[in-house]
Amino acid sequence: AQKVTQAQTEISVVEKEDVTLDCVYETRDTTYYLFWYKQPPSGELVFLIRRNSFDEQNEISGRYSWNFQKSTSSFNFTITASQVVDSAVYFCALSENSGNTPLVFGKGTRLSVIA
Amino acid sequence: DTGVSQNPRHKITKRGQNVTFRCDPISEHNRLYWYRQTLGQGPEFLTYFQNEAQLEKSRLLSDRFSAERPKGSFSTLEIQRTEQGDSAMYLCASSLLAHNEQFFGPGTRLTVL
Repeated sequence: AQKVTQAQTEISVVEKEDVTLDCVYETRDTTYYLFWYKQPPSGELVFLIRRNSFDEQNEISGRYSWNFQKSTSSFNFTITASQVVDSAVYFCALSENSGNTPLVFGKGTRLSVIA
Repeated sequence: DTGVSQNPRHKITKRGQNVTFRCDPISEHNRLYWYRQTLGQGPEFLTYFQNEAQLEKSRLLSDRFSAERPKGSFSTLEIQRTEQGDSAMYLCASSLLAHNEQFFGPGTRLTVL
């Protein structure tokens, strides 16, 4: 069965610090997709990134970067030079097979960035 | 290009009443999903549609829950005889068949008194 674990329930950092959010997943499929979503205080889930199981190349988008390691079943998310606007709950999610199937979410990590 | 919309945004009801929520997906998105999110948890899958066909239902979806997508466009989620345990945020998402990103609506927050 598929499962996503986000061991960090809450993280608090001071503005401009770097922060890494951990995500560990379990699946028996060889084909799967991993996602990160952001849920700001307004409540609406915002899509950040999708990565398929055959592409282990790390990705950088501005201050955001993602480290996918199949050997450890991890898909970690790093925010560089954090800002107050980054304060939100971040969810890691997994989708098996074609990827167009229901998402299985972790419990989320609440990030608070203090000015 | 509008995103996923959901109505109502908030619903307060008394235990035992029926409620219905509506979701309008992004235009031309074939897949439509319903999730439920309780406080401090990630969203949990309820059911999904490809066009008008309901393809999968979670074990979370009891007999009191029913969902439809009659013309393959908007969808409704009905809860009959609501219970206090139904209090949650109900989220709708849509995606193109050929793509994997699911785009979420703002949710409907249900409170059952």
